Amino acid sequence: KAGVTQTPRYLIKTRGQQVTLSCSPISGHRSVSWYQQTPGQGLQFLFEYFSETQRNKGNFPGRFSGRQFSNSRSEMNVSTLELGDSALYLCASSFTGFTGELFFGEGSRLTVL
Amino acid sequence: QQQVKQSPQSLIVQKGGIPIINCAYENTAFDYFPWYQQFPGKGPALLIAIRPDVSEKKEGRFTISFNKSAKQFSLHIMDSQPGDSATYFCAATVETSGSRLTFGEGTQLTVNP
Repeated sequence: KAGVTQTPRYLIKTRGQQVTLSCSPISGHRSVSWYQQTPGQGLQFLFEYFSETQRNKGNFPGRFSGRQFSNSRSEMNVSTLELGDSALYLCASSFTGFTGELFFGEGSRLTVL
Repeated sequence: QQQVKQSPQSLIVQKGGIPIINCAYENTAFDYFPWYQQFPGKGPALLIAIRPDVSEKKEGRFTISFNKSAKQFSLHIMDSQPGDSATYFCAATVETSGSRLTFGEGTQLTVNP
């Protein structure tokens, strides 16, 4: 069974640009959540989607947004990038999302210059 | 009230030693406490998890101890091996809230041969 796939794995952007990250969950998983990982703040929850609906949202500004498609694939978008957005963005999937048993991808490492 | 405090930040033990990582939480609504293991360049992977109705859970060489009254839980790794060298994160969630995990700050474990 294929794991969670995230693309791209690495990307470099400049301040003010926007970025879109993609996540393909494990087949059959309907919940996709996104986390930001930084050395200073650790792992922080961004949002969760289930059946194309945002079910949970973390404490991030509106520049961070996401969506989920009918095939459960998800994208997150960050607009007007800031230096502080440099981080590893992790996608996790689970069958229902109603447990802490998340399956994480390897992440997309974003560098903002 | 949403925080999970984890200690120590880093830990070095010899092969065969028993590293212990501690976590404390404030939110009494948390009802599911997973531990994740992360290797460099990889996403976190679920290691073991516990619910507050039990005081201890063992899976192989990994044991979680849970003290509900103190709002603390800990991970013990028996007979540690160099391959256990990784970053360990405790987490907590309210299971019915979906995939919103609150993570501890992480512990970087090094097991020397």
